[in-house]
Amino acid sequence: EVQLLESGGGLVQPGGSLRLSCAASGFTFRNYAMSWVRQAPGKGLEFISGISGSAGSTYYTDSVKVRFTISRDNSKNTLYLQIDSLRAEDTAVYYCAKTRRVAGTWGGDAFDVWGQGTMVTVSS
Amino acid sequence: DIQMTQSPSTLSASVGDRVIITCRASQSFTRWLAWYQQKPGKAPKLLIHKASSLESGVPSRFSGSGSGTEFTLTISSLQPDDFATYYCQQYYSSPYTFGQGTKLEIK
Repeated sequence: EVQLLESGGGLVQPGGSLRLSCAASGFTFRNYAMSWVRQAPGKGLEFISGISGSAGSTYYTDSVKVRFTISRDNSKNTLYLQIDSLRAEDTAVYYCAKTRRVAGTWGGDAFDVWGQGTMVTVSS
Repeated sequence: DIQMTQSPSTLSASVGDRVIITCRASQSFTRWLAWYQQKPGKAPKLLIHKASSLESGVPSRFSGSGSGTEFTLTISSLQPDDFATYYCQQYYSSPYTFGQGTKLEIK
């Protein structure tokens, strides 16, 4: 069964850091681009970052550029999101998502598999 | 950035109804559009990709159409399991952007 399992969320003070993980199983992880999408409480979905299968290309939206770092360890079938300088507006459920088809870039298709999400709360 | 606007924001309907949700894009593009269903407390689920291609395992009562700046999701006969929030997403141009969502409620 194709599965994604996020971890690493929690309560953190403004200015703090977290590293989110997304463990993948059931598919050849290194072949697929992966992304992070977040959802603030009661709000819609926001795509924030993507990474190619080889980790050779990455993308960040302007709202998270500089503060967020996406990476992956294909030997461990795991995707990461390092979040620094956290702000209250970063409070959200963070989902990892698999791109539907094999491609060499960081994106290029819809997201066909999603994790269950991990909650990040930024508050003093 | 391409802005995606869904209408309506909320839709009240009954089991058996045919419903249509519209997604309008601020710029024209080909068929790189997806539709997702999300239930409270759950992750989104892919229903439609490439504007009209039904994802494997998704019931055939769901269909998508459109190109350019206007896309639609149609549910031909609403079932109790279909009451949820629906999002469109363009993956034509970065950043990939979602519509604000359409909440489908029971009338």
